[in-house]
Amino acid sequence: AQSVAQPEDQVNVAEGNPLTVKCTYSVSGNPYLFWYVQYPNRGLQFLLKYITGDNLVKGSYGFEAEFNKSQTSFHLKKPSALVSDSALYFCAVRRRGSYKLIFGSGTRLLVRP
Amino acid sequence: EPEVTQTPSHQVTQMGQEVILRCVPISNHLYFYWYRQILGQKVEFLVSFYNNEISEKSEIFDDQFSVERPDGSNFTLKIRSTKLEDSAMYFCASSENRGPGTSGYNEQFFGPGTRLTVL
Repeated sequence: AQSVAQPEDQVNVAEGNPLTVKCTYSVSGNPYLFWYVQYPNRGLQFLLKYITGDNLVKGSYGFEAEFNKSQTSFHLKKPSALVSDSALYFCAVRRRGSYKLIFGSGTRLLVRP
Repeated sequence: EPEVTQTPSHQVTQMGQEVILRCVPISNHLYFYWYRQILGQKVEFLVSFYNNEISEKSEIFDDQFSVERPDGSNFTLKIRSTKLEDSAMYFCASSENRGPGTSGYNEQFFGPGTRLTVL
């Protein structure tokens, strides 16, 4: 079965420290990979995507993600966390030839001052 | 910045009643989607819609569900006879005109969701 795993329900980090939110996937072929963020009472907001090319992709608000094909991972990173980054983060994958996004369960990021 | 909007934000209905959830996608987008998230569970794909046809649907999207683009701006999800297990947050999304078979792919933009409560 095709799936996306976010192994951490919550990640806690101090403001100014680097952060990593982990994502691994089990999807056939060479899927497209995405990160979305959800703030309270808001929809899922696109952060970044990997389609092809450079394994390190940069997105909105200083976030970046590293694609690792051998480990089938797509971890979200930021060099210096802000309190305002506190939110729910979702990894998602789409198989080529399909319209469907397959989501992970989400990771709550808490950045303390 | 253009965004996807959804109405209502919260819908309460009795089991067995029909509900229609409404969405206004981003104006130049041509692909439309519905997802749902049952409390405590993952966001799940329901259906995608392009050129007035369903292009893909999940096993969740059975005969109780239907989608429609009644005019040039709205995209609706109808549940004919709601069940308790239909209680969830329903998200609409849209994307631009490049489909999954093309070399590029446009991300899906999501609305804020409609919380459906079936009593």
